[in-house]
Amino acid sequence: GAVVSQHPSRVICKSGTSVKIECRSLDFQATTMFWYRQFPKKSLMLMATSNEGSKATYEQGVEKDKFLINHASLTLSTLTVTSAHPEDSSFYICSARDPTPGEKLFFGSGTQLSVL
Amino acid sequence: SQELEQSPQSLIVQEGKNLTINCTSSKTLYGLYWYKQKYGEGLIFLMMLQKGGEEKSHEKITAKLDEKKQQSSLHITASQPSHAGIYLCGAGGGSQGNLIFGKGTKLSVKP
Repeated sequence: GAVVSQHPSRVICKSGTSVKIECRSLDFQATTMFWYRQFPKKSLMLMATSNEGSKATYEQGVEKDKFLINHASLTLSTLTVTSAHPEDSSFYICSARDPTPGEKLFFGSGTQLSVL
Repeated sequence: SQELEQSPQSLIVQEGKNLTINCTSSKTLYGLYWYKQKYGEGLIFLMMLQKGGEEKSHEKITAKLDEKKQQSSLHITASQPSHAGIYLCGAGGGSQGNLIFGKGTKLSVKP
């Protein structure tokens, strides 16, 4: 079946540094990918929608300059957390849409970000 | 906007017992997804329901979408420690074609 690969699975960084998270669709072309953030005991919150070849669409309250999204190819989207702060510590999950018949959404394994 | 309410928030059951998790939507559901998540890991797709009254099973897990398409239930028969995790329901109600999710139900199974 379709697989979405997310890397890294865990990252610890110092406050002020930038962290890049990659999301790859391994056996299908994903024109649309979604980035979610998950807080403890809370639902997955959509941060932004990443469309190949165009600018990402950010949800209300999500800082575009802080969470940079690049969807340069049909199989890769990246989320860069710039100048990370402890409050950015969270679990980030990407999702990719397989546009073939029987459209489904597949999720990456997530990235646990800890900012010291 | 659409909201999904899951109940219970957490559940502790003895191994071998049956259990049910509910997901109630504020609007009509057009596609309801059930996922399982282990702490700090990604989502594992369990099943998707689309038609009112539809019921699907996978191993010992059965999910049903009610006729009015505003509630789904997930039933686990003879629970095992391997069933432990967080169960999330998701619906295709997002403005970007994304899924929106309930807050999840944390299931613990005592051996």
